Amino acid sequence: DVKVTQSSRYLVKRTGEKVFLECVQDMDHENMFWYRQDPGLGLRLIYFSYDVKMKEKGDIPEGYSVSREKKERFSLILESASTNQTSMYLCASSLVQYGYTFGSGTRLTVV
Amino acid sequence: KQEVTQIPAALSVPEGENLVLNCSFTDSAIYNLQWFRQDPGKGLTSLLLIQSSQREQTSGRLNASLDKSSGRSTLYIAASQPGDSATYLCASLLSGNTPLVFGKGTRLSVIA
Repeated sequence: DVKVTQSSRYLVKRTGEKVFLECVQDMDHENMFWYRQDPGLGLRLIYFSYDVKMKEKGDIPEGYSVSREKKERFSLILESASTNQTSMYLCASSLVQYGYTFGSGTRLTVV
Repeated sequence: KQEVTQIPAALSVPEGENLVLNCSFTDSAIYNLQWFRQDPGKGLTSLLLIQSSQREQTSGRLNASLDKSSGRSTLYIAASQPGDSATYLCASLLSGNTPLVFGKGTRLSVIA
């Protein structure tokens, strides 16, 4: 089975810190995605990547950036964390014909 | 832009009941549709994936159907159990070059 691993389940950071959320997949998937999930708002797409070195903005990219130096790793970066970025962050990878596989999520709290 | 809607937002049923969760989408030219389960505070677990050429997929007590012409999919859960309590999300993919679009989910509670 495809495994998507997010490096932290819970994270607490201070306002203004630079935060790195790491995601690694082990099945050679081309596509990787970062979503955030908030009560009442559902899943919202932040950034995605269909190839190494390639990145595309999703619906809510403001305040975030991404890095994909290797095919298996897709990192989400909060340049200067703010309290409104407190959320559940979900990483996924996919092969189109086999659907999406999600990681277990990172619950980020910015204080 | 594709929109995915799930109604109802929450559902409570007694154990043993058969139930149907509904999902509708605005653009019928989908590539595939995927159903997920999410337990509180956890990630999403894929349940079923239906390709655009398929009408249904089955896994154990779960059966998902797809009617592209009407823009609808249903997830049928047979003989529900308390362990089925979770949020169920559907998501559609329009093409290989567009991201998955999610509904907001149906929160299911199965009462023992």
